[in-house]
Amino acid sequence: GDSVTQMEGPVTLSEEAFLTINCTYTATGYPSLFWYVQYPGEGLQLLLKATKADDKGSNKGFEATYRKETTSFHLEKGSVQVSDSAVYFCALSDRYGGSQGNLIFGKGTKLSVKP
Amino acid sequence: GAGVSQSPSNKVTEKGKDVELRCDPISGHTALYWYRQSLGQGLEFLIYFQGNSAPDKSGLPSDRFSAERTGGSVSTLTIQRTQQEDSAVYLCASSLRTGPFNYGYTFGSGTRLTVV
Repeated sequence: GDSVTQMEGPVTLSEEAFLTINCTYTATGYPSLFWYVQYPGEGLQLLLKATKADDKGSNKGFEATYRKETTSFHLEKGSVQVSDSAVYFCALSDRYGGSQGNLIFGKGTKLSVKP
Repeated sequence: GAGVSQSPSNKVTEKGKDVELRCDPISGHTALYWYRQSLGQGLEFLIYFQGNSAPDKSGLPSDRFSAERTGGSVSTLTIQRTQQEDSAVYLCASSLRTGPFNYGYTFGSGTRLTVV
């Protein structure tokens, strides 16, 4: 079945460091891919998305490129801030998979940014 | 409404009591989802509604858990005879019928349940 695998955390970085959180997926069809962010004490918010191969999603300085050849959707940011400290979830929606197009989430990666 | 609303935001209950958690989705969103997030854990899928019917109940952890949705809108998740392992944040999300593929879900802020 469809699945999402993302790097285990926690990830601890200093402010202004470069961030990469790896995400790979397995899907039956041609899924849409998403990154969600959960700030402390809050629900999940959509951070960015890409609906077809080679699309780049971007928001708040974060970006991720849908790579069909490597089945990946890695999240990157050039210079992180303390306010980026949160848990990041990679997810997919596979319209032709067994999940009826519903979102399938990775386990989440906790990011802590130190001043 | 403008967003997905969940109530209560926090609930402390004694072991063995029943609790009801409420989710009010975005107006017009026909799909509604319940997830559970235990401390430090990822998202555990519980149940999904399309309209008032639940095509997928596979995630409900035991028969103490049930959910209903009426009028294609508000949903209630009920936990009977609560146990300490039920302590978690319960998240609700909604989407348009074709929404997940194009737009993903919109989540509420969650209900933090503590069973003492």
